[in-house]
Amino acid sequence: AQSVTQLDSHVSVSEGTPVLLRCNYSSSYSPSLFWYVQHPNKGLQLLLKYTSAATLVKGINGFEAEFKKSETSFHLTKPSAHMSDAAEYFCVGGGTDKLIFGTGTRLQVFP
Amino acid sequence: EAQVTQNPRYLITVTGKKLTVTCSQNMNHEYMSWYRQDPGLGLRQIYYSMNVEVTDKGDVPEGYKVSRKEKRNFPLILESPSPNQTSLYFCASSLGLADLASTDTQYFGPGTRLTVL
Repeated sequence: AQSVTQLDSHVSVSEGTPVLLRCNYSSSYSPSLFWYVQHPNKGLQLLLKYTSAATLVKGINGFEAEFKKSETSFHLTKPSAHMSDAAEYFCVGGGTDKLIFGTGTRLQVFP
Repeated sequence: EAQVTQNPRYLITVTGKKLTVTCSQNMNHEYMSWYRQDPGLGLRQIYYSMNVEVTDKGDVPEGYKVSRKEKRNFPLILESPSPNQTSLYFCASSLGLADLASTDTQYFGPGTRLTVL
């Protein structure tokens, strides 16, 4: 069965420092993987998605993620955090007829 | 503007009083889905619909009903709400092509916060 695990429930960084949100997946086939962001009191918005075309995926707002098959990982990174990046982030795997959500990582950004 | 709308955004009700949360999309999407979001559990799928008159259970369908009479609308019905259905609910839609959720971007509504007393 396919599963998605987000390794940190909370991550805190200072503004201007790098962001790393970790996600591991398990799948018996080549997966589709997404990162969604949820700002307070908002719906979810797609940041980026991997669908096997390229292992390094660039998304909106300076985020990117690298698919590493050997490590079964799809970690989300950003070189320099901004205050507006404070939100909850979901790593999501694409199944045949539904999405499988990780439990979320709350990112705090301190001035 | 392409969007998914949900109504109401906030609802407080009492146990056993039937309620409906509406969901509508204006993107001509075939696939629609309902999720509930609870702290520490992420989003869990309640029901989904591949097209008009085609619905199927997700991971947590107990206590919920849905219908898909028109392509744009996908209401969520709680016939007899209970306190354990207090949650944040999201409707989502996507194109629904051959590869469906495996590659499609899902567009989410703003959420409905439901409290059942």
